Amino acid sequence: QKEVEQDPGPLSVPEGAIVSLNCTYSNSAFQYFMWYRQYSRKGPELLMYTYSSGNKEDGRFTAQVDKSSKYISLFIRDSQPSDSATYLCAMSLQGAQKLVFGQGTRLTINP
Amino acid sequence: EAQVTQNPRYLITVTGKKLTVTCSQNMNHEYMSWYRQDPGLGLRQIYYSMNVEVTDKGDVPEGYKVSRKEKRNFPLILESPSPNQTSLYFCASSSSLAGGYEQYFGPGTRLTVT
Repeated sequence: QKEVEQDPGPLSVPEGAIVSLNCTYSNSAFQYFMWYRQYSRKGPELLMYTYSSGNKEDGRFTAQVDKSSKYISLFIRDSQPSDSATYLCAMSLQGAQKLVFGQGTRLTINP
Repeated sequence: EAQVTQNPRYLITVTGKKLTVTCSQNMNHEYMSWYRQDPGLGLRQIYYSMNVEVTDKGDVPEGYKVSRKEKRNFPLILESPSPNQTSLYFCASSSSLAGGYEQYFGPGTRLTVT
């Protein structure tokens, strides 16, 4: 079993839809949870990060962490074609430089 | 412009021929890492470095070497490349001041070993 599981998709939705992306994990010691966005032929870039459980909102993006269920989510409201990319979840132990990534979900927003 | 650069961007080589992929950052970051990205497996960490002369293994270090002699540079060395090292490689850096969690990635190096 992988330490972090993420559905690779692909996921295709119409413009304006609410998108939900999810990851599950097995290591209860993870403390920091991140979402990276990767456009085609580019390196990943950090979208959001949260510490421990709870919600964090940034514009159209909301990250949720449920440590009791070992489940994290990223919601995108009013999705735009420019949101089309691969979204990777990542996690780490407190103070660690070792990030563990999910395999990424490829998302397409159709105009 | 703050950035992480990698060279070369594309490389085709043969089994057993030693190669080095360079990585450089201009943000004065303490932390640097190397990852490989493969279809269905996502990003996997090869090695990371907390500072000059301090390196440690990630999840898939076999067949790779690194060194950190200067803060800005973190080269990845494949002493005897094999076809299973064909992959897309990313270098990343981050600042200890920000907890190290926001990693800035380079543009990637696509390596093919025949």
